[in-house]
Amino acid sequence: ETGVTQTPRHLVMGMTNKKSLKCEQHLGHNAMYWYKQSAKKPLELMFVYNFKEQTENNSVPSRFSPECPNSSHLFLHLHTLQPEDSALYLCASSQVLDLAKNIQYFGAGTRLSVL
Amino acid sequence: SQQGEEDPQALSIQEGENATMNCSYKTSINNLQWYRQNSGRGLVHLILIRSNEREKHSGRLRVTLDTSKKSSSLLITASRAADTASYFCATDAKTDKLIFGTGTRLQVFP
Repeated sequence: ETGVTQTPRHLVMGMTNKKSLKCEQHLGHNAMYWYKQSAKKPLELMFVYNFKEQTENNSVPSRFSPECPNSSHLFLHLHTLQPEDSALYLCASSQVLDLAKNIQYFGAGTRLSVL
Repeated sequence: SQQGEEDPQALSIQEGENATMNCSYKTSINNLQWYRQNSGRGLVHLILIRSNEREKHSGRLRVTLDTSKKSSSLLITASRAADTASYFCATDAKTDKLIFGTGTRLQVFP
């Protein structure tokens, strides 16, 4: 148990569906992240939030829409996805957005399949 | 091109043997970290080594860092079947973010 909980663990959706991924951290951290992990590729950073403010959007398509209502919760809203978006989506948090302390704690991920 | 690359891509050993994984990176760093990922799960932080450190230990783990060669190694001693996982290095490239490599898949046979 890392203190970062992601739901759902598995999601199958059609290309016209709208769904949301949820992440909650119980660590009192102030920075939260969304990553995409595809087979045989490095982990791709998608979004970074620091104190609820988005500080990074790594050229992610607009069909992925993040939301951070507070420092403990992070959502990823999905709509009109493509089959190539199928991947493991990981949420992570860190105490602060700080080089010296940037150890990240990951959730177990949501395995997304787009049909 | 990616910042961190692990070598080998896959490694199979018997229980009790040592496992060594290497990581090379391209740009200057403040820290380098190693993470572990069990199949289909999230990553778990193992160890952080700062650019002014050369070696660090944590239990059965030993990490070395050679900033002149821009490389790091992770040694797992007396491996166990439970060590079976993918191992990733991550560097900060002197930014606020971590950049991960593609990982080494370690299989430890009982």
